[in-house]
Amino acid sequence: AQKVTQAQTEISVVEKEDVTLDCVYETRDTTYYLFWYKQPPSGELVFLIRRNSFDEQNEISGRYSWNFQKSTSSFNFTITASQVVDSAVYFCALDVNSGYALNFGKGTSLLVTP
Amino acid sequence: GAGVSQSPSNKVTEKGKDVELRCDPISGHTALYWYRQSLGQGLEFLIYFQGNSAPDKSGLPSDRFSAERTGGSVSTLTIQRTQQEDSAVYLCASSSGGLTDTQYFGPGTRLTVL
Repeated sequence: AQKVTQAQTEISVVEKEDVTLDCVYETRDTTYYLFWYKQPPSGELVFLIRRNSFDEQNEISGRYSWNFQKSTSSFNFTITASQVVDSAVYFCALDVNSGYALNFGKGTSLLVTP
Repeated sequence: GAGVSQSPSNKVTEKGKDVELRCDPISGHTALYWYRQSLGQGLEFLIYFQGNSAPDKSGLPSDRFSAERTGGSVSTLTIQRTQQEDSAVYLCASSSGGLTDTQYFGPGTRLTVL
């Protein structure tokens, strides 16, 4: 069975602070994919990143960075110099090669205040 | 190009009535998914369509729920005899078709059953 845990329900930071959103996953599949989606107040899930289980290289995209560590089954997401527009609910998700439905974590609600 | 579109954006109905929710996937995407997002359950997979193959209905919560996809494109999710616990946001996603391809989501339909 697949499972994604986002232990942080809500995080509140002040603008320009760095913030890390945690994601821990469980699967017995050796081939799998991890995703992060952003859900702003408008409600639409916006795709941020997709990583496969064979690529543990960290990724940076502007102020966003992701740290994938198979040893701890974690795929954490860091926002550097946060901005008010980063306020949203962020979901981590797992997709395995033996299936197709995304297994989502419960989400972390991030509030960035000026 | 255009993203996934869903209609209506909001639907309020009375308990016991039937509702139809529509999803228009990204052009050329062969795979289509329905998910439900509710406060207590998070994001749950409902049903998956791939091309002309029989859909995977394993996530549908009861036989009151059904979905079809006409011409390999537009999909309709139907809920018969709605109950208050059906109140949720219904999200549609599409992908280019391969297993574990990135799923792109629509804005969702917020269903409220009174």
